[in-house]
Amino acid sequence: NAGVTQTPKFRVLKTGQSMTLLCAQDMNHEYMYWYRQDPGMGLRLIHYSVGEGTTAKGEVPDGYNVSRLKKQNFLLGLESAAPSQTSVYFCATHPRTGGVYGYTFGSGTRLTVV
Amino acid sequence: GQSLEQPSEVTAVEGAIVQINCTYQTSGFNGLFWYQQHAGEAPTFLSYNVLDGLEEKGRFSSFLSRSKGYSYLLLKELQMKDSASYLCAVRPDTGGFKTIFGAGTRLFVKA
Repeated sequence: NAGVTQTPKFRVLKTGQSMTLLCAQDMNHEYMYWYRQDPGMGLRLIHYSVGEGTTAKGEVPDGYNVSRLKKQNFLLGLESAAPSQTSVYFCATHPRTGGVYGYTFGSGTRLTVV
Repeated sequence: GQSLEQPSEVTAVEGAIVQINCTYQTSGFNGLFWYQQHAGEAPTFLSYNVLDGLEEKGRFSSFLSRSKGYSYLLLKELQMKDSASYLCAVRPDTGGFKTIFGAGTRLFVKA
Protein backbone atom coordinates (compact mmCIF):
# COMPACT_ATOMS: atom_id res chain seq x y z
CA ASN A 1 0.00 0.00 0.00
CA ALA A 2 1.34 3.38 -1.00
CA GLY A 3 -0.99 5.33 1.35
CA VAL A 4 -1.04 8.97 0.23
CA THR A 5 1.15 9.97 -2.69
CA GLN A 6 1.83 13.54 -3.74
CA THR A 7 3.35 14.62 -7.03
CA PRO A 8 5.53 16.45 -7.74
CA LYS A 9 7.80 16.56 -4.70
CA PHE A 10 9.55 19.77 -5.74
CA ARG A 11 8.74 22.51 -8.23
CA VAL A 12 9.99 25.97 -9.10
CA LEU A 13 7.53 28.24 -10.92
CA LYS A 14 7.83 31.70 -12.35
CA THR A 15 5.28 34.30 -11.29
CA GLY A 16 2.15 33.95 -13.39
CA GLN A 17 2.70 30.32 -14.35
CA SER A 18 0.13 27.67 -13.55
CA MET A 19 0.47 24.16 -12.17
CA THR A 20 -1.49 21.30 -10.66
CA LEU A 21 -0.52 19.29 -7.61
CA LEU A 22 -1.85 15.75 -7.45
CA CYS A 23 -2.77 13.81 -4.32
CA ALA A 24 -3.60 10.14 -4.78
CA GLN A 25 -4.69 7.76 -2.02
CA ASP A 26 -5.36 4.04 -1.97
CA MET A 27 -6.95 3.82 1.50
CA ASN A 28 -10.53 4.41 0.34
CA HIS A 29 -10.80 7.47 2.59
CA GLU A 30 -13.77 9.73 1.99
CA TYR A 31 -12.23 12.99 3.19
CA MET A 32 -9.25 14.72 1.63
CA TYR A 33 -7.56 18.02 2.45
CA TRP A 34 -4.95 20.41 1.12
CA TYR A 35 -2.85 22.31 3.67
CA ARG A 36 0.06 24.68 3.26
CA GLN A 37 2.82 24.97 5.83
CA ASP A 38 4.86 28.14 6.27
CA PRO A 39 7.54 28.82 8.90
CA GLY A 40 6.06 30.00 12.18
CA MET A 41 2.49 29.71 10.97
CA GLY A 42 1.65 26.05 11.18
CA LEU A 43 -0.53 24.15 8.75
CA ARG A 44 -3.37 26.14 7.20
CA LEU A 45 -6.30 24.54 5.39
CA ILE A 46 -6.71 25.60 1.75
CA HIS A 47 -9.57 23.43 0.47
CA TYR A 48 -11.07 20.11 1.39
CA SER A 49 -13.44 17.47 0.07
CA VAL A 50 -15.90 15.22 1.89
CA GLY A 51 -16.42 12.90 -1.06
CA GLU A 52 -16.16 12.39 -4.79
CA GLY A 53 -17.49 15.40 -6.68
CA THR A 54 -17.51 17.71 -3.64
CA THR A 55 -15.14 20.48 -2.58
CA ALA A 56 -15.24 23.24 0.04
CA LYS A 57 -13.13 26.23 1.01
CA GLY A 58 -10.84 26.22 3.98
CA GLU A 59 -9.06 29.02 5.79
CA VAL A 60 -6.87 30.30 2.91
CA PRO A 61 -8.54 29.39 -0.42
CA ASP A 62 -7.72 32.49 -2.49
CA GLY A 63 -5.53 31.82 -5.51
CA TYR A 64 -6.23 28.07 -5.50
CA ASN A 65 -8.80 25.78 -7.09
CA VAL A 66 -9.45 22.09 -6.46
CA SER A 67 -11.23 19.17 -8.03
CA ARG A 68 -12.22 15.68 -6.84
CA LEU A 69 -13.46 13.88 -9.92
CA LYS A 70 -12.44 10.48 -8.57
CA LYS A 71 -12.57 9.37 -4.96
CA GLN A 72 -8.90 8.51 -4.86
CA ASN A 73 -7.58 11.77 -6.34
CA PHE A 74 -7.65 15.35 -5.09
CA LEU A 75 -6.06 18.01 -7.32
CA LEU A 76 -4.89 21.45 -6.24
CA GLY A 77 -4.45 24.05 -8.97
CA LEU A 78 -2.65 27.35 -9.04
CA GLU A 79 -3.87 29.35 -12.04
CA SER A 80 -1.42 32.24 -11.77
CA ALA A 81 1.32 31.60 -9.24
CA ALA A 82 2.51 34.38 -6.93
CA PRO A 83 5.60 34.53 -4.68
CA SER A 84 3.25 34.47 -1.66
CA GLN A 85 2.35 30.90 -2.67
CA THR A 86 5.87 29.71 -2.01
CA SER A 87 5.27 27.05 0.62
CA VAL A 88 5.22 23.36 1.42
CA TYR A 89 1.90 21.80 0.46
CA PHE A 90 0.57 18.72 2.23
CA CYS A 91 -2.33 16.54 1.27
CA ALA A 92 -4.10 14.65 4.06
CA THR A 93 -6.86 12.07 4.21
CA HIS A 94 -9.36 10.82 6.80
CA PRO A 95 -11.95 8.04 6.79
CA ARG A 96 -15.66 8.93 6.92
CA THR A 97 -16.11 7.50 10.41
CA GLY A 98 -13.81 7.25 13.38
CA GLY A 99 -13.18 10.65 14.92
CA VAL A 100 -10.35 9.17 16.98
CA TYR A 101 -8.17 8.88 13.93
CA GLY A 102 -5.74 11.53 12.94
CA TYR A 103 -4.92 12.46 9.40
CA THR A 104 -2.71 10.46 7.08
CA PHE A 105 -0.44 12.90 5.27
CA GLY A 106 1.35 12.71 1.95
CA SER A 107 5.08 13.46 1.87
CA GLY A 108 4.55 17.04 0.70
CA THR A 109 5.32 19.25 -2.29
CA ARG A 110 7.87 21.99 -1.88
CA LEU A 111 6.91 24.85 -4.21
CA THR A 112 8.98 27.94 -4.89
CA VAL A 113 7.56 30.82 -6.94
CA VAL A 114 10.16 33.26 -8.24
CA GLY B 1 -12.61 31.75 16.11
CA GLN B 2 -9.87 29.30 16.87
CA SER B 3 -6.34 29.78 18.20
CA LEU B 4 -3.64 27.52 19.58
CA GLU B 5 -0.51 28.55 21.44
CA GLN B 6 2.62 26.46 21.85
CA PRO B 7 6.18 27.37 22.83
CA SER B 8 8.35 27.70 19.74
CA GLU B 9 11.30 25.66 21.07
CA VAL B 10 12.14 23.30 23.91
CA THR B 11 15.52 21.71 24.68
CA ALA B 12 16.02 18.59 26.80
CA VAL B 13 18.67 16.00 27.56
CA GLU B 14 18.70 12.44 26.27
CA GLY B 15 17.07 10.09 28.78
CA ALA B 16 15.13 12.88 30.51
CA ILE B 17 11.41 13.72 30.53
CA VAL B 18 10.01 16.73 28.67
CA GLN B 19 6.57 18.34 28.65
CA ILE B 20 5.29 20.35 25.69
CA ASN B 21 2.30 22.57 26.44
CA CYS B 22 -0.57 23.71 24.25
CA THR B 23 -3.36 26.12 25.08
CA TYR B 24 -6.32 26.58 22.80
CA GLN B 25 -9.46 28.60 22.25
CA THR B 26 -12.13 27.23 19.94
CA SER B 27 -15.79 27.89 19.26
CA GLY B 28 -16.47 24.16 19.44
CA PHE B 29 -14.46 21.11 20.47
CA ASN B 30 -14.34 17.57 19.16
CA GLY B 31 -10.88 16.45 20.12
CA LEU B 32 -7.27 17.52 20.50
CA PHE B 33 -4.48 15.87 18.55
CA TRP B 34 -0.72 15.73 18.73
CA TYR B 35 1.43 15.12 15.67
CA GLN B 36 5.17 14.60 15.30
CA GLN B 37 7.00 16.12 12.33
CA HIS B 38 10.66 15.47 11.60
CA ALA B 39 12.46 18.12 9.55
CA GLY B 40 11.61 17.84 5.86
CA GLU B 41 8.97 15.19 6.44
CA ALA B 42 5.19 15.00 6.79
CA PRO B 43 3.44 15.10 10.17
CA THR B 44 2.51 11.76 11.70
CA PHE B 45 -0.36 11.23 14.14
CA LEU B 46 0.68 10.62 17.76
CA SER B 47 -2.36 10.93 20.01
CA TYR B 48 -5.97 11.98 20.43
CA ASN B 49 -7.80 13.28 23.51
CA VAL B 50 -11.46 14.18 23.71
CA LEU B 51 -12.13 13.61 27.43
CA ASP B 52 -10.24 15.13 30.34
CA GLY B 53 -7.32 13.11 31.59
CA LEU B 54 -4.16 11.38 30.57
CA GLU B 55 -3.76 9.01 27.61
CA GLU B 56 -0.60 6.92 27.63
CA LYS B 57 1.06 5.30 24.64
CA GLY B 58 4.43 3.85 25.49
CA ARG B 59 6.95 6.65 26.05
CA PHE B 60 4.42 9.27 24.97
CA SER B 61 1.46 10.55 27.02
CA SER B 62 -1.02 13.30 26.30
CA PHE B 63 -3.14 15.19 28.81
CA LEU B 64 -6.26 17.27 28.29
CA SER B 65 -8.20 19.71 30.47
CA ARG B 66 -11.22 20.97 28.54
CA SER B 67 -12.25 23.43 31.22
CA LYS B 68 -8.84 25.11 31.06
CA GLY B 69 -8.35 24.79 27.29
CA TYR B 70 -5.03 23.12 27.98
CA SER B 71 -3.13 20.08 26.84
CA TYR B 72 0.38 18.77 27.15
CA LEU B 73 2.47 16.07 25.52
CA LEU B 74 4.84 14.22 27.82
CA LEU B 75 7.82 12.39 26.37
CA LYS B 76 9.74 10.02 28.66
CA GLU B 77 13.18 8.45 28.27
CA LEU B 78 14.06 10.91 25.55
CA GLN B 79 16.02 9.63 22.59
CA MET B 80 17.93 11.59 19.96
CA LYS B 81 15.37 10.49 17.36
CA ASP B 82 12.69 12.39 19.29
CA SER B 83 14.21 15.64 18.00
CA ALA B 84 11.36 16.95 15.86
CA SER B 85 8.51 19.45 15.82
CA TYR B 86 5.39 18.58 17.79
CA LEU B 87 2.12 20.04 16.56
CA CYS B 88 -1.00 20.32 18.65
CA ALA B 89 -4.25 20.54 16.75
CA VAL B 90 -7.95 20.81 17.53
CA ARG B 91 -11.04 19.67 15.73
CA PRO B 92 -13.66 22.38 16.35
CA ASP B 93 -16.56 20.32 15.01
CA THR B 94 -17.31 17.11 13.17
CA GLY B 95 -18.01 18.84 9.86
CA GLY B 96 -15.59 17.20 7.46
CA PHE B 97 -13.20 16.45 10.34
CA LYS B 98 -11.43 19.76 9.67
CA THR B 99 -8.48 20.31 11.95
CA ILE B 100 -6.81 23.53 13.10
CA PHE B 101 -3.07 23.27 13.79
CA GLY B 102 -0.77 25.17 16.09
CA ALA B 103 2.56 26.46 14.80
CA GLY B 104 4.44 23.62 16.48
CA THR B 105 7.15 23.25 19.11
CA ARG B 106 10.65 22.29 18.00
CA LEU B 107 12.19 19.83 20.44
CA PHE B 108 15.98 19.58 20.54
CA VAL B 109 17.35 16.53 22.37
CA LYS B 110 20.96 16.91 23.51
CA ALA B 111 23.36 14.11 24.33
